[in-house]
Amino acid sequence: ETGVTQSPTHLIKTRGQQVTLRCSSQSGHNTVSWYQQALGQGPQFIFQYYREEENGRGNFPPRFSGLQFPNYSSELNVNALELDDSALYLCASSLFGEVNTDTQYFGPGTRLTVL
Amino acid sequence: QKEVEQNSGPLSVPEGAIASLNCTYSDRVSQSFFWYRQYSGKSPELIMSIYSNGDKEDGRFTAQLNKASQYVSLLIRDSQPSDSATYLCAVKGPGGFKTIFGAGTRLFVKA
Repeated sequence: ETGVTQSPTHLIKTRGQQVTLRCSSQSGHNTVSWYQQALGQGPQFIFQYYREEENGRGNFPPRFSGLQFPNYSSELNVNALELDDSALYLCASSLFGEVNTDTQYFGPGTRLTVL
Repeated sequence: QKEVEQNSGPLSVPEGAIASLNCTYSDRVSQSFFWYRQYSGKSPELIMSIYSNGDKEDGRFTAQLNKASQYVSLLIRDSQPSDSATYLCAVKGPGGFKTIFGAGTRLFVKA
C-alpha cells in the first residue's frame, strides 16, 4: 500500500506569481483534501475533491483552485500569490463514505515561500 | 468562540508520567474526532480516531469522547521523550467534507 505523496517538497515564488502543487492519494482512497498550515497554527481546510469535483470549500478566495484526476490524484493551484500565502500546504487522502472510514492521512507537505 | 479549542501549552511532563491533552469543540452535530501528532517541520500523523462516547485505547494512548460536554481528550501513558511534539485535535461534522483542526498543544517530555 502506497502512502500519500506530494511534490515539490519546497518552493520559492514571488508575489503575483502562480503555483501548482501536486498530490497522489493513498492506494484505495478516492477523496483528497487540501490544507494550509501557517507557522504555529493548525491546518486550515481549503477544499476537498471527490469524483473529480469540489465537494466542499473552506474560507479561501477563488484564486485557490484545484483539480482531481481519474486516478484520484489532485492539484492545488494558487494565482496572484501574496506574502501571506507562505505556509506548509498539506494534502490528505481518505475514503469518502460512512463514518468510521473517513480518516484522513496526510502527505509530507509542500513548503511554499512567497517573497 | 473557536470551533475547536486546545490549550497551546507547552505542556511539560517528566518521562514515564501521564500526559493529558484536552480539546473542546463548538458544533454539537460533530461525528468524527481525531488526534494527530506533528513533529516540527513534518506533516501530521494520525494517532487515533474516535466516534462514540467513552474511551478508546491503543497501546499507550487513550482517547476519551464526551459528546454531551463537547469534549475530547488524549491520554499518553508512560510518556517518552520521543512523544515530544505538537498534538492536533480534529473534528469533522456530518456531510464529511470539512475537518476542523485546533491550533495544537505542544508537549515536552523531559528525560
